Order: sequence, then structure tokens, then C-alpha cells
Amino acid sequence: EVQLVESGGGLVQPGGSLRLSCAASGFTFSSYSMNWVRQAPGKGLEWVSYISSSSSTIYYADSVKGRFTISRDNAKNSLYLQMNSLRAEDTAVYYCARPKLWFGESPLGYWGQGTLVTVSS
Amino acid sequence: DIQMTQSPSTLSASVGDRVTITCRASQSISSWLAWYQQKPGKAPKLLIYKASSLESGVPSRFSGSGSGTEFTLTISSLQPDDFATYYCQQYNSYPCSFGQGTKLEIK
Repeated sequence: EVQLVESGGGLVQPGGSLRLSCAASGFTFSSYSMNWVRQAPGKGLEWVSYISSSSSTIYYADSVKGRFTISRDNAKNSLYLQMNSLRAEDTAVYYCARPKLWFGESPLGYWGQGTLVTVSS
Repeated sequence: DIQMTQSPSTLSASVGDRVTITCRASQSISSWLAWYQQKPGKAPKLLIYKASSLESGVPSRFSGSGSGTEFTLTISSLQPDDFATYYCQQYNSYPCSFGQGTKLEIK
């Protein structure tokens, strides 16, 4: 069974930093690209970042570019999101999500339960 | 970047009704379109992919259609468990993007 478990969320002051982790199990983690998607309270889904299986290709949403860094450790079956210079508008539940397929164009077939990040003084 | 526009934003319906949600892409995405269902406090759940393919385990009352820039999600006969928020997502290219969501409410 595919499992994705996020951790690392919490309350942080504006301008602060936080590192989110996503522990993956139940599949060959090193074969899949991964994504972070967030959802502000009462709002819709916003894609945040993508990393390919080998970390060779990375994309960011414009809203986080230059502040957030996605990374992975295939030996530890883990995905990370380093978030710096946090703003109030970064307050959201952050989900890690795996594509349904390991190849080609694929929707996000598996999601974690999410971890809440609150940016407030 | 590709923008996704869903309509309506809110839909009131009754159990047994047939409902349709529309999603438009700002440019052609072929059939690389997914639909998700989300309930309060839960992660999104994949319902439909490649515009019209039903995800395993999803009831057959859900169906999707369309290609290019116009897509629809249809629920043929609403069940109590279907009242939720629905999102479309294009995965033709990064940045992938979601529609703003359609909240399906009980009339």
C-alpha cells in the first residue's frame, strides 16, 4: 500500500524558515517524480513544486520561486521542502503527492494527509 | 502558463440529480486533464484521468469527457457521499495547474 506521511509543519514567524518532510513507503520511491501541493485555509489547491525521480529536473510555482527548495533522498525514501523567507500568504496545508504512473504524463494519484504551516507573528 | 477555469463555483443539487461541471483550459492540453474530489479535512482523491478514464474503485456514475480546451465531469445520479468539492487539473505541462474548484452542495 502506498503511503505518504508529511511532517515538519507548525507555527513560524514571517521571514522565518521551515523544512517539511514526506516519508514514502509501499512503492519504489526512486522510480517516481514527486510534487508538493498546498491549500490555504478555505481556498483551492495550488501546485508548489516538482522534482524528477533523479532530481535532475525541478520546477517551482512563481509564488515560491527563490524562497522554497525541493529535494529528495532516494536512499531514505524521503521528499523535502525547505521553505525560507516565509510570508503570511504561505499559510496552508502542504501535501506531498505522487503521480499515478512512473512514466509519461500522469495525474497525482496518491496524496499524503498534509501538514499545516502557519506563518504569523 | 496554462490557466484552468471551472464553472460553476458552487452547485446546489439533490440526491438522484444528474450534474455537470465544466473546466476550460487557456490553451490546448490534449486530454491531459484530471478530476479530483475533496472532502473537508481530507486530501484530494483522483476520480478521472486522461479526461475520461475512470480511476480504479471510483463508481461508474462518475464520467469525464472533452479534449483540447473544454472538459466536463458528469455525475449521473448524485449520492449522499458525492457532496464535496471538485477540482480539475491539467498535467500537460509544468507548472501544472488546478481549477478554482466547484463546491457541490445539497439543495
